[in-house]
Amino acid sequence: GENVEQHPSTLSVQEGDSAVIKCTYSDSASNYFPWYKQELGKRPQLIIDIRSNVGEKKDQRIAVTLNKTAKHFSLHITETQPEDSAVYFCAASMNTGNQFYFGTGTSLTVIP
Amino acid sequence: NAGVTQTPKFRVLKTGQSMTLLCAQDMNHEYMYWYRQDPGMGLRLIHYSVGEGTTAKGEVPDGYNVSRLKKQNFLLGLESAAPSQTSVYFCAVDAPTSYEQYFGPGTRLTVT
Repeated sequence: GENVEQHPSTLSVQEGDSAVIKCTYSDSASNYFPWYKQELGKRPQLIIDIRSNVGEKKDQRIAVTLNKTAKHFSLHITETQPEDSAVYFCAASMNTGNQFYFGTGTSLTVIP
Repeated sequence: NAGVTQTPKFRVLKTGQSMTLLCAQDMNHEYMYWYRQDPGMGLRLIHYSVGEGTTAKGEVPDGYNVSRLKKQNFLLGLESAAPSQTSVYFCAVDAPTSYEQYFGPGTRLTVT
């Protein structure tokens, strides 16, 4: 099956700096790559996603890039704010109705 | 419109006891999933269902059973609980036309 690796496991940045989280996947058939944010004690919520026919997608301060050849994708958060502090999960999937394979999560702390 | 709900929110079991977790959705989505979340392990799929009356095994199905008798409900059963099943359990749903998975609020289960 698919194997998704996520780095780093913890990340601390100063408010206003950028944060980058990277994931790699193993199965070239995966074609959908979401990123979820989970605040302490809350449910995971989708913040951005990308499909394999797109190399980059941006939504305000958040962007995701995908390199299909190298089988890796990254989350970029610019101008970080304290409310960005949370655990972020990447995932890979092949089709709707199929399982998501999640990374092990990155705990991001934004220091005011 | 409650979205995805889970019952109960918290539960403590003794080893060997049984219980059933209920996931209910009012989104009329076909696909439903049960995940467990453990520290440092991310989210791992236990079982999933692509429609009423159907179920399939995920990544970590051992020790669990599921049923989808009604489209809006997905039940996760533990027949004989073990301490290794101490975890936070999340239900998720998505639609055939959408990749996004919507998560429930989670159930925190402790097995002593």
